[in-house]
Order: sequence, then structure tokens, then C-alpha cells
Amino acid sequence: KAGVTQTPRYLIKTRGQQVTLSCSPISGHRSVSWYQQTPGQGLQFLFEYFSETQRNKGNFPGRFSGRQFSNSRSEMNVSTLELGDSALYLCASSLSTVNTEAFFGQGTRLTVV
Amino acid sequence: GNSVTQMEGPVTLSEEAFLTINCTYTATGYPSLFWYVQYPGEGLQLLLKATKADDKGSNKGFEATYRKETTSFHLEKGSVQVSDSAVYFCALSTSNTGNQFYFGTGTSLTVIP
Repeated sequence: KAGVTQTPRYLIKTRGQQVTLSCSPISGHRSVSWYQQTPGQGLQFLFEYFSETQRNKGNFPGRFSGRQFSNSRSEMNVSTLELGDSALYLCASSLSTVNTEAFFGQGTRLTVV
Repeated sequence: GNSVTQMEGPVTLSEEAFLTINCTYTATGYPSLFWYVQYPGEGLQLLLKATKADDKGSNKGFEATYRKETTSFHLEKGSVQVSDSAVYFCALSTSNTGNQFYFGTGTSLTVIP
């Protein structure tokens, strides 16, 4: 079956702009989580959505937001981009909500200039 | 709180050498433990998992045993191959944090012929 699909794969934005990243989970998976990966901070949890509701949120400023649609697809938005937002953004989908493995997409590489 | 401490890298081994990557954790609640692998330019792939004490996860010659008494989940492989070169992440999730994963900092492995 198809894996987790993230679009776009690469993105270059200018400081101050906003960006929207998209994630399509594995068919049947209703939980979608987002992570930011940087060389300095490693993998940091952004938020998790399940059945269109945000269940959990990491320690990121309000410029980072997300949503999930009825078909489980998810988007995350970053407003007023800063240079430090340059990172690989990974989406993960899971079948249920507790202690199940997460399947990751290939990520979106965001570069802020 | 929840955290994962992973052996610092990078690690360089010759082909057919024995591999150990140490991982210890702290957790509130009863965690499930995972090893993920990331190849260059890719997202994370689940390598193996264990959901209760004394469980052994195994896949592709890699093994790790959930040791509650030492709060450890060390990754081992008896004979590494060049194709095992990647970054390895130890991770946990708990029943009270849903699908939020806590990752170690990652260990880069390079296997030379």
C-alpha cells in the first residue's frame, strides 16, 4: 500500500513569508503527527492530529499551526518565517492513538533565506 | 518526564564487524520502545520495536531487548554491511502521550568495505 506522502519535497522561502506543507497519511490511518528535524535540535515534536482534532502540541511558538481534514490529510502552516525555521519537516501517520509505530514520510526540506 | 539518551557518534566500522548502539530512557508511564533508521535524504523507517519488558525486537539482523531494570534498549547486529550505513534513532512513546515520540539525538553509522 502507498506510504506517507509529503509535498512539496523542497521549498525555498524568504524570511517573513508563510508556508504550507501537506501530508497524506497511509490509507486507514487517522493519526498524523509532525516533527521538525534540525542538526542542532534533532527531532522535535510539533503536534498530533486525530480525527481532525489536535490531541497534543509540542513547545513551538504560535506561528506553527496545523489542521487535519476529514480524509485524514493534514497540513501545517508556518507564518512569518524566520531563518531558524529552516529544517526538514517530517510527517508521521499511525493507525491508532496509543503506542503504535509511526510511519514517516520523506519530509519537506524548507530553506528560509 | 520522558527522554532518550543515545550513544554519541559517529561510529565507523569495518564490514562484518559487530555493532552496538547504546540507548537508555526515562519515562513516566509504561513506554513502548523503537529503533528508527534514516538514510541520506530520506525520512525515518521503523527498524524494530518492543512494547513490554523483556520483549526482543528484531529485523534485518538487528536486535534490541527491552530491559526495564536498566531502562535500556541497546541496538545490536552481529555482522554489519556497507548498506547499513545510516543514522539510527532510539525512540519511545507512552500511553499518556499518545503518538508523540521522544527521540534520541541519533547515531551516525558508517560501514567501510
